[in-house]
Amino acid sequence: DTAVSQTPKYLVTQMGNDKSIKCEQNLGHDTMYWYKQDSKKFLKIMFSYNNKELIINETVPNRFSPKSPDKAHLNLHINSLELGDSAVYFCASSQYRFYEQYFGPGTRLTVT
Amino acid sequence: AQTVTQSQPEMSVQEAETVTLSCTYDTSESNYYLFWYKQPPSRQMILVIRQEAYKQQNATENRFSVNFQKAAKSFSLKISDSQLGDTAMYFCAFIPDPSNAGGTSYGKLTFGQGTILTVHP
Repeated sequence: DTAVSQTPKYLVTQMGNDKSIKCEQNLGHDTMYWYKQDSKKFLKIMFSYNNKELIINETVPNRFSPKSPDKAHLNLHINSLELGDSAVYFCASSQYRFYEQYFGPGTRLTVT
Repeated sequence: AQTVTQSQPEMSVQEAETVTLSCTYDTSESNYYLFWYKQPPSRQMILVIRQEAYKQQNATENRFSVNFQKAAKSFSLKISDSQLGDTAMYFCAFIPDPSNAGGTSYGKLTFGQGTILTVHP
């Protein structure tokens, strides 16, 4: 059983397109996160949701919009993709007020 | 704001030997947690070891141990009896105590730049 899963694992698309990455966790956690890992492998948090409520929103372009339909899912929608959006995007989850975060396998997004 | 610094971009070690990866951090928080994550070529982020700042005892997980110096804000990872499977990128990370942090601090895991470790046969 995969604890935190992401789809797709690889995504290649052209500039200007709109795409979504889906994340699901079966750990019963109530907090989920999106992280971005750039070409230099630097990891930075983008968003987090607790019980479908946005609690962290780092300085991320408005083209990125997270959506949490329920506690087990957190999707990331990206409009008007740019070359600089090419990166690996990781989803993670934790239980509120606990520190340990569990990561998904990552989605490698390539914008051409 | 918290910062985490890993000053060694790359390290290498012979199989069966010991290697230490360095990490320093800066924070005004009184309680927090520190982690080392491993990212092998498979890309998966794997938690290696965790340390609660209020605990003086250094954490140990099998061949992995830390040297936590709270006053110096230093958190190094020692890998003993290195194995080929330890080859990966290692990230040091910091999080404020979730039971106290609120607002935009909650759940914010801050990572260092990473250290690429290569274990040679």
